[in-house]
Amino acid sequence: EAQVTQNPRYLITVTGKKLTVTCSQNMNHEYMSWYRQDPGLGLRQIYYSMNVEVTDKGDVPEGYKVSRKEKRNFPLILESPSPNQTSLYFCASSPPWGNSPLHFGNGTRLTVT
Amino acid sequence: SQQGEEDPQALSIQEGENATMNCSYKTSINNLQWYRQNSGRGLVHLILIRSNEREKHSGRLRVTLDTSKKSSSLLITASRAADTASYFCATDTDNTDKLIFGTGTRLQVFP
Repeated sequence: EAQVTQNPRYLITVTGKKLTVTCSQNMNHEYMSWYRQDPGLGLRQIYYSMNVEVTDKGDVPEGYKVSRKEKRNFPLILESPSPNQTSLYFCASSPPWGNSPLHFGNGTRLTVT
Repeated sequence: SQQGEEDPQALSIQEGENATMNCSYKTSINNLQWYRQNSGRGLVHLILIRSNEREKHSGRLRVTLDTSKKSSSLLITASRAADTASYFCATDTDNTDKLIFGTGTRLQVFP
């Protein structure tokens, strides 16, 4: 089944403890992206990747890192999480950018205390 | 920056009625897309309409695009309780490599 898989689904952590949210897609998509969703603010893009070894900042990249060493994986790294990073995170992928829909994972609900 | 803004923010209707949601945006676009999100789940793509198209249909969904007014509408006909979800428009604008999402319309369909 074609899908975008995020792990974990839920995560509670403490301020400053490094964490990684994994994202993997099995559709051979070139484009991958991370969004965070907050009440009243909609979805905001954190980082995106046009292809392997190509990443770029979205609208809210501060406090996040990404890597794209393989086509299928696009992990989101929080080196030193803070409470304002408490949010619902979504990974998405698509074929090469341009007139293609995004395929979303089921989300990771992160709470930083 | 907010590109797409949906209207209304929330909509409650009875099963069988039609639901119309509107989206306005600010800059020129390559395409506009509509997505659906069940509570706390991932977004699911519904329809993509390109900037040179005016109307598209998919099952009970009808999307219109008016680039002169920078607006789009999503019509769900003969709604069902299972249509209860949040609906988002997203725009692919010139010279960017991303979709910009609006804040969504929460649709509640009562049986």
